[in-house]
Amino acid sequence: AQTVTQSQPEMSVQEAETVTLSCTYDTSESNYYLFWYKQPPSRQMILVIRQEAYKQQNATENRFSVNFQKAAKSFSLKISDSQLGDTAMYFCAFMKPNFGNEKLTFGTGTRLTIIP
Amino acid sequence: DAGVTQSPTHLIKTRGQQVTLRCSPKSGHDTVSWYQQALGQGPQFIFQYYEEEERQRGNFPDRFSGHQFPNYSSELNVNALLLGDSALYLCASSQAFGSSYNEQFFGPGTRLTVL
Repeated sequence: AQTVTQSQPEMSVQEAETVTLSCTYDTSESNYYLFWYKQPPSRQMILVIRQEAYKQQNATENRFSVNFQKAAKSFSLKISDSQLGDTAMYFCAFMKPNFGNEKLTFGTGTRLTIIP
Repeated sequence: DAGVTQSPTHLIKTRGQQVTLRCSPKSGHDTVSWYQQALGQGPQFIFQYYEEEERQRGNFPDRFSGHQFPNYSSELNVNALLLGDSALYLCASSQAFGSSYNEQFFGPGTRLTVL
C-alpha cells in the first residue's frame, strides 16, 4: 500500500514571498502520478499541479512548480510570488494508473496562510 | 458546463440514524468516487462506482454502501451512524477511459455532523 506524508501541519509566509511545501511518499510502483491539491475554505478540492513519475522534468504551472526526486520519493511544491488567494489547505496525493480504476491516496495536508 | 455537484451541503444526524448523500458527476464523466475527510485530515477513499457497480473499496465497514444510477449520479449511504462518522464527504468524478490517467474532479462536499 502507498503512503503519503506531509510533515508541515502549518506554514505562513508574507505576500509576494516564495514558500515550499514538503511531501514524501512510499511505494513499490514504478509508474504513478503525484498531485498537489488546494482546498480553500470553500472546501472545493482543486488540482494545482500534476507530475508523472516517468517524466524527469519537473512540472510547472504559472507560479507553481514542483521538485520531484524519484529516488528519494520526495515531491515538494514551490509557490512563487505568493498571493492572498493562495491561503488554503494543500494536500499531496498519489495515484497508481489502472485503466480508469484509480483512487487517490492523500497526505494529512499543510495549512498555508499568506500574510498581507 | 456544471461541475460535480453534491447535496445536501450540510447535514446533522443523531447516533444510530441512517443518512444518504448525493452526487452528480461532471458532464461526460461515468465514474464516481467517494472520500471521507475527517477534521484536520486528508481525504480517505471509501469506494468507487462505474457502470452501476462498486469497482473498488477502501477500508470502510459495510455500514457504508453506495449506488450508481444509469445517469451516472451516485448515492452514499451510511447506516447506524457513529460519532466518528462526522466528516466532510467528498465526491469525485472521472472518465473511465479518457486518457492515460483519469483526473478526478471534486465536488464541494457534504458536511455531516453526528450528535
